[in-house]
Formats: sequence, C-alpha cells, structure tokens
Amino acid sequence: DSGVTQTPKHLITATGQRVTLRCSPRSGDLSVYWYQQSLDQGLQFLIQYYNGEERAKGNILERFSAQQFPDLHSELNLSSLELGDSALYFCASSVEGYSGANVLTFGAGSRLTVL
Amino acid sequence: GQSLEQPSEVTAVEGAIVQINCTYQTSGFYGLSWYQQHDGGAPTFLSYNGLDGLEETGRFSSFLSRSDSYGYLLLQELQMKDSASYFCAVRDLDSNYQLIWGAGTKLIIKP
Repeated sequence: DSGVTQTPKHLITATGQRVTLRCSPRSGDLSVYWYQQSLDQGLQFLIQYYNGEERAKGNILERFSAQQFPDLHSELNLSSLELGDSALYFCASSVEGYSGANVLTFGAGSRLTVL
Repeated sequence: GQSLEQPSEVTAVEGAIVQINCTYQTSGFYGLSWYQQHDGGAPTFLSYNGLDGLEETGRFSSFLSRSDSYGYLLLQELQMKDSASYFCAVRDLDSNYQLIWGAGTKLIIKP
C-alpha cells in the first residue's frame, strides 16, 4: 500500500456521461498530480495541485476538470465522455511540489472504460 | 521541444545484467528519474539522478551524463519479478517543472 488512495478502482460508463475520480494523498503530502495512461502508453500529465492551489496544467482536455479540497483530497471530473477517454487514471502525491517533484508516490489507479 | 527516447523492449535472462538507456532533450534540466511499473500496477519510484554519476540502490543502479543528455538504468542479478515496464522521466522547464515521461521499456526476462 503506497498510502495514496484512489476510488473507484474500476468504472464502466457510456459515452456522453460524466464521472468523478477521487484521490487521497499520502499523509503529509501537499501535492497531488493526475496522470492518464492509455493502453501500452506512457504517462500523460494532466494537472497538479499544491496545498489547494493549481500549480501546473498539462494536456488536460477542457471536458476535464479537477480540484483539491482543504483536506487535500482531490477529485478529477471527466465529462462528455468519449471512447478515447478509456484509460487508467493515476493520482500521485509528493511532499515537495510547489514547482513539481522528482519523487512521486502513485495510487493504484482508476480504470475507466467508456462504452 | 521535449522528448525522451528509450528502447521499447529489452529481453534478458534470469540472473543476468541488463541496461536500459534513456536520452532526453529538454529545456532546462532538473533531474532524471526512473520508475518501474508492473502490468496493471502503479508506477513505483526507483531512482533519481540530479548530478552526473552513478547512484546505486541494491541490485539497481542509475547513471547520468548531463553533457550527453543521457542516462541508464542498470539491473543486476535479474529476477523474474523484475519483469515490468521501466520509465525514465525528466523534469522540464517548459512543462512548468513537471515530469516528462518516456514511452517506457518493457523488460522481458526468460528463465
């Protein structure tokens, strides 16, 4: 157990729907990162929050949004889902991170299947 | 632009040594990291090089040459459990200091 908790582990939904993925960072970590990994692909950075503040944005679609709450947990909202959004979504956390970090601790991921 | 190159697949024999190379092109360099990911699992941090030279952690070592924009991960005494994908990642100025990831190297270990 990495200490980073992601829910749900699996999610199957239909095109056009909206889902919310949840992440609780490791205790003491202030930064949360969201990544997307499509089948047999590398990790695509989506967005980073540090202590409630958005710090960096990557290749995040306008249909996707995220936030980090005062208790430091984070949610990634995916709307108007398309087949191509099917992927593993990872949350990671780090102690440092005001300007990114080299050492990230990843959660087990949420596998999203859009039918 | 930013890019990282690593072989897509490497095959080795149990007990042997294998080296996974990574070359990078970034604007501003803030360290080279290596992560391991088993099929269906989460990436796990293995090693970090901020300065030139070799870092050793048990059976795994990582090397960096900033002048060559090159690094490698060395795995010794290979075990079947080392079968996984290995990613190099670099923090980049243009990406707002976020990790830029290679496409990953799938390590296949044969008995």
